Amino acid sequence: RKEVEQDPGPFNVPEGATVAFNCTYSNSASQSFFWYRQDCRKEPKLLMSVYSSGNEDGRFTAQLNRASQYISLLIRDSKLSDSATYLCVVILHGQNFVFGPGTRLSVLP
Amino acid sequence: EADIYQTPRYLVIGTGKKITLECSQTMGHDKMYWYQQDPGMELHLIHYSYGVNSTEKGDLSSESTVSRIRTEHFPLTLESARPSHTSQYLCASSPTDRGVTEAFFGQGTRLTVV
Repeated sequence: RKEVEQDPGPFNVPEGATVAFNCTYSNSASQSFFWYRQDCRKEPKLLMSVYSSGNEDGRFTAQLNRASQYISLLIRDSKLSDSATYLCVVILHGQNFVFGPGTRLSVLP
Repeated sequence: EADIYQTPRYLVIGTGKKITLECSQTMGHDKMYWYQQDPGMELHLIHYSYGVNSTEKGDLSSESTVSRIRTEHFPLTLESARPSHTSQYLCASSPTDRGVTEAFFGQGTRLTVV
């Protein structure tokens, strides 16, 4: 079983739609969680950190459920510019970043 | 913008050549990483370093080698390039754990071995 798994995608949604991505991780000792965004042929960039209490940044909401070892990302009112691959990232304390395989999103006009 | 730089951005080279991909960061980060990523595929960690004179192999076996003689510099070397090495190579760095930290990526080197 992979350490970090994500919805396989791709997700093709119309502009304005709400879309949710799911991510599960296998190591219960994982301590830090992130969502990264990677545009086609570009490097990954941090979208947002994920906190235990959940956090929101504009149209983006991240949730963490430690009991179920589950992370989610919700994008509301999706824009064409949201089209990208979204990577779930997990860190064990003091260890390396573990990247999920990513979920590709295409927002269609 | 993150202060982490990779050169060259694109490289086309013949089989059997020795190549070094450069990665430098000016943020004073102790931790540095090399990832390999084929188009449309996931990132694979091939090397990492937790500081000067520290290097470790990552999850994906790679014929490349790395060195960390200075904090800011983490070059990756292929002694004899082969077509199977064709891929994108991404360098990243992060500070030593102080609360929630992120990894900053360079723009990558797209390597083609012909």
